Order: sequence, then C-alpha cells, then structure tokens
Amino acid sequence: DGGITQSPKYLFRKEGQNVTLSCEQNLNHDAMYWYRQDPGQGLRLIYYSQIVNDFQKGDIAEGYSVSREKKESFPLTVTSAQKNPTAFYLCASNLAGYSGANVLTFGAGSRLTVL
Amino acid sequence: GQSLEQPSEVTAVEGAIVQINCTYQTSGFYGLSWYQQHDGGAPTFLSYNGLDGLEETGRFSSFLSRSDSYGYLLLQELQMKDSASYFCAVRVRNSGGYQKVTFGIGTKLQVIP
Repeated sequence: DGGITQSPKYLFRKEGQNVTLSCEQNLNHDAMYWYRQDPGQGLRLIYYSQIVNDFQKGDIAEGYSVSREKKESFPLTVTSAQKNPTAFYLCASNLAGYSGANVLTFGAGSRLTVL
Repeated sequence: GQSLEQPSEVTAVEGAIVQINCTYQTSGFYGLSWYQQHDGGAPTFLSYNGLDGLEETGRFSSFLSRSDSYGYLLLQELQMKDSASYFCAVRVRNSGGYQKVTFGIGTKLQVIP
C-alpha cells in the first residue's frame, strides 16, 4: 500500500545536538511538507518542496534545514539553533495539479523530546 | 501571510448536528480544506471546497463563501468516534508561484452521550 513513512516515531535528544527526521513516500507525489505541532496547537509549516532540488521556507523555518535530493524523500534536520524543538513533527505530501493538490496525505509523525 | 480563525472547543450531544466555522485572511487563495485528527494520530483529509457552495460526503458537509472568506464544516448524526480535533486549512499560491497549505489552530470537538 502507498503511504508516507516517518522515522523514528519517538526520538530523544540532548540539548546542542542536531537530529534528522526521515520522511519517505511511495505515492509518487510531487510536493512534500513538514509541519510542527505543539500541544493544543495547530500545524505550523516549517518547509515545503514542490519539486526535487527545490524547497521553500514556511512560517517557522529558523533552526531547521531540509533537502530534496529524491522525489520520494524529504528529510528534516532539527539543528541546535532551534530554541524549543520538543514537538510532534508531521510530514505530508500531495500531487501537483489542481485537483490532486487539494488533498494532503500525512505520515504518522515523529515525536521529538529534548532532554 | 495567512491567518485562519476557528473556535478552540465545541461540545455536542451524540446524534446531534454541529457546525464548525472558519474565517480566513489570505492572498492567492485556492481553496479551503478540512482535516480530522484524533489524539496522538495524524490528520486525515475530510473535505475540500474550491468554489462557493456546499460539498457533501456522507455525514460530513463543508461550505465555502469566497466573498466572505468564510467556510464551515457540518457534522450530522454525531457519533462518539467523531470526538477529535478538526482543522481548516487554506491552499494558497504565493507571488513566486509556489503552493502551500496553511492550517488553523484546530477545533476540539467533544461528543457527549
């Protein structure tokens, strides 16, 4: 079955360490997104990418970095510059084009805790 | 930028009807979507409105008025399993031609017996 795989599901990090969250999709979707969700909050856009080797900053990109070397992969690195990285991270994807872009498919999420 | 407003919490009785409103302010608007998220889970797509009017999918309906920058999600015949958070989201295109999806803070719906 097609879908989005995020790993790891749970991650603990010490302050000052970088950590990379994996996101892989086999849906042949063009666009991929990273969102951050804090308790009781909505989803805030970190980075998004519409095509390989191109990505755009979202609303809260500071302290994060991404790459899009392959269509199916969009890893997110949470750097030590991110002041408050403890959160639930969600990766999503959709098709380009008018109708396909209306539906985001999400992965199961990665929960990052900074100790 | 974009801003979306929706109520933070709603409580309704099993079997009843509930409406969750969403107002938005944005440029480059394409359409309004609704997503459901159960505690600890990932959001799942419910409905999309690109044009004015009502879209119906089973017990769920969604409405959009582009002129009023307003939409709502209507849930009928509420069931206990409908207890979840509901997010409205706007798809927009910026001046560079990039499309993105921005979410509201979510409405936590509690269905009571």
